[in-house]
Amino acid sequence: QVQLQESGPGLVKPSETLSLTCTVSGVSITSYYWSWIRQPPGKGLDWIGYIYYSGITNYNPSLKSRVTISVDTSKNQFSLKLSSVTAADTAVYYCARHKRPPIAVEFDYWGQGTLVSVSS
Amino acid sequence: DIQMTQSPSSVSASVGDRVTITCRASQDIRSWLAWYQQKPGKAPKLLIFAASSLHSGVPSRFSGSGSGTEFTLTISSLQPEDFATYYCQQANTFPPGIGGGTMVEIK
Repeated sequence: QVQLQESGPGLVKPSETLSLTCTVSGVSITSYYWSWIRQPPGKGLDWIGYIYYSGITNYNPSLKSRVTISVDTSKNQFSLKLSSVTAADTAVYYCARHKRPPIAVEFDYWGQGTLVSVSS
Repeated sequence: DIQMTQSPSSVSASVGDRVTITCRASQDIRSWLAWYQQKPGKAPKLLIFAASSLHSGVPSRFSGSGSGTEFTLTISSLQPEDFATYYCQQANTFPPGIGGGTMVEIK
């Protein structure tokens, strides 16, 4: 059974770096593409970026200058770093698996999500 | 970027009703469209991919149709567990634009 679990601090200070990790179980991380998606409170979903185990990444242009996604195949994990955060980065952050890589971008398995608040 | 627009933003319906949600893409995405259901406090769940293909385990009362720039999600007979917010998402290019959502509420 495929499961994804986000972990990381729930509170980050403005101008600092948000760091989250997604631990994947039930499938090898080398078999799929993996994304981060976020949802500000009461708002819609916003795709952040994806990674493939080889290190190939693709980021949303709106966040590209501040985002780094990395992978650790030995731990079956991938991670998100978002620098210079502001209150606008307060959101529930989800990790998700691509269902049909690389031909399409649909997300069939999701983590439960983790709320990250940006506040001093 | 491809923009996705959903309508209506909310709909009130009763158990047993037929509900249709529309999604429009700002450019042709052929059949590269997915639909998700999200309940409060939960992660989205994939319902439909490739515009009309039912994801594994999804009840058959859910169906998707359309191609190009106009798509619909239909719930043939609304059940109590279907009250949720529904999102469409283009799966053709990066970034994968996601619609603003349609909340299906109890009438």
